[in-house]
Amino acid sequence: AQSVTQLGSHVSVSEGALVLLRCNYSSSVPPYLFWYVQYPNQGLQLLLKYTSAATLVKGINGFEAEFKKSETSFHLTKPSAHMSDAAEYFCAVSERIGAAGNKLTFGGGTRVLVKP
Amino acid sequence: KAGVTQTPRYLIKTRGQQVTLSCSPISGHRSVSWYQQTPGQGLQFLFEYFSETQRNKGNFPGRFSGRQFSNSRSEMNVSTLELGDSALYLCASSQGHGQWPGEQYFGPGTRLTVT
Repeated sequence: AQSVTQLGSHVSVSEGALVLLRCNYSSSVPPYLFWYVQYPNQGLQLLLKYTSAATLVKGINGFEAEFKKSETSFHLTKPSAHMSDAAEYFCAVSERIGAAGNKLTFGGGTRVLVKP
Repeated sequence: KAGVTQTPRYLIKTRGQQVTLSCSPISGHRSVSWYQQTPGQGLQFLFEYFSETQRNKGNFPGRFSGRQFSNSRSEMNVSTLELGDSALYLCASSQGHGQWPGEQYFGPGTRLTVT
């Protein structure tokens, strides 16, 4: 079974500072990995996804993530934090079930606080 | 294109009751997945429906069930509610066919409180 671990349930950054959110996965097959963001009282919004093409993936809102197979990691970064980045971030791995079934397994989430 | 809609947004029920939640996927999407989000267990996969058939199922008791209609709208039902069923229930839609994995688009969720 696949699993995802996010290191740090809470991260505090200053506005303008680097945002780094850590994600490690466990998978017996080549993984498909995702980062989602959840704002208060809202659903999940896809930030970016890795599907075995380029290892450096660029997403929305200035976020990017790098897939490192040797480290089984898919860390999310943003060079300069903005107040609007305050939210909870989830890393997820997609598991193929049967011919086309799709199931996401999520990490525990990292809540980001941005200080002015 | 309209996004995924879920109704109701908030719900309060009493232990022992049953509840039905509704999800309307993005137009053209044939797959609907349901997830439960709680502070303790995080986000957990409940089930996936595709073309009116349950294609995948998570590790939840039989009190949790769902169905999908011919227009791809989906409902999930929880019978004999327990306090631990209090959660945010998220619905996600995707095309469900073609290139895998399909991108899943999430609705705003239904916040269920069981008292």
